[in-house]
Amino acid sequence: KNEVEQSPQNLTAQEGEFITINCSYSVGISALHWLQQHPGGGIVSLFMLSSGKKKHGRLIATINIQEKHSSLHITASHPRDSAVYICAVRRETSGSRLTFGEGTQLTVNP
Amino acid sequence: DGGITQSPKYLFRKEGQNVTLSCEQNLNHDAMYWYRQDPGQGLRLIYYSQIVNDFQKGDIAEGYSVSREKKESFPLTVTSAQKNPTAFYLCASSTTRTASYGYTFGSGTRLTVV
Repeated sequence: KNEVEQSPQNLTAQEGEFITINCSYSVGISALHWLQQHPGGGIVSLFMLSSGKKKHGRLIATINIQEKHSSLHITASHPRDSAVYICAVRRETSGSRLTFGEGTQLTVNP
Repeated sequence: DGGITQSPKYLFRKEGQNVTLSCEQNLNHDAMYWYRQDPGQGLRLIYYSQIVNDFQKGDIAEGYSVSREKKESFPLTVTSAQKNPTAFYLCASSTTRTASYGYTFGSGTRLTVV
C-alpha cells in the first residue's frame, strides 16, 4: 500500500463545476504539498500545508492532521485547470524529502 | 528570474551508453533532488543532496550516479547498468534552513533509450 493515496485517479468535469481531489496518507508528516503538472511535464508548487486551510484564487487546500487527509478544491473550474494534480508529503523522519502520490488527472471540458 | 534549468528537454540514447542530464539552479537552495516519473506512477526519488560535496541515495538509486561539486549544479548520470532508463526525469531544489522547505521543480528531461 502506498504511503500517499490520491482519489480519484481521473476526473472529468464541465467548465464551472466545483472540483475536489482527495489525498490520504499513512505516515506522520511535517507538511503536505499540492503540486500541479501540465502536459509538458513541468511541476508547479500550489500549496504547502501543515494545518488548517489555504486559499489562492480559485484554489483551496485543507488538511486534517488527525485524520491524515487533505483535499484540494477548485471553484468555477476552467479548461486551463486541466492538469495532473499531485499530493506529496514530507515525513517527520525524512528531513526535506518528499513522498508523492500517483496524481489525479483532471480534464475540464468547455 | 530565479529557477531551475534542466537540459536537454528530450534526449535519445542507444542502449548501453551512459548519459548525463543537467540540472542548474540560481535560487541559492542548499538541497537538490532527482526524481524519476513513469506513466501511472508517482515520482520516485533517485538521489538527493543537502550540501555541496555530499549526496545520498534515494529509493531507486541503482544504475544512476550524481555529483555535487557546486551548489548550483546537480548532474545525474544514467549508466548502462540502469535496466529500464526510458522515463521522465525531474530535478528539484529546496531550502533547508527554514521550516517552509519551499520546493521548486525543473521542467524535466524525457529520456528515451533505443
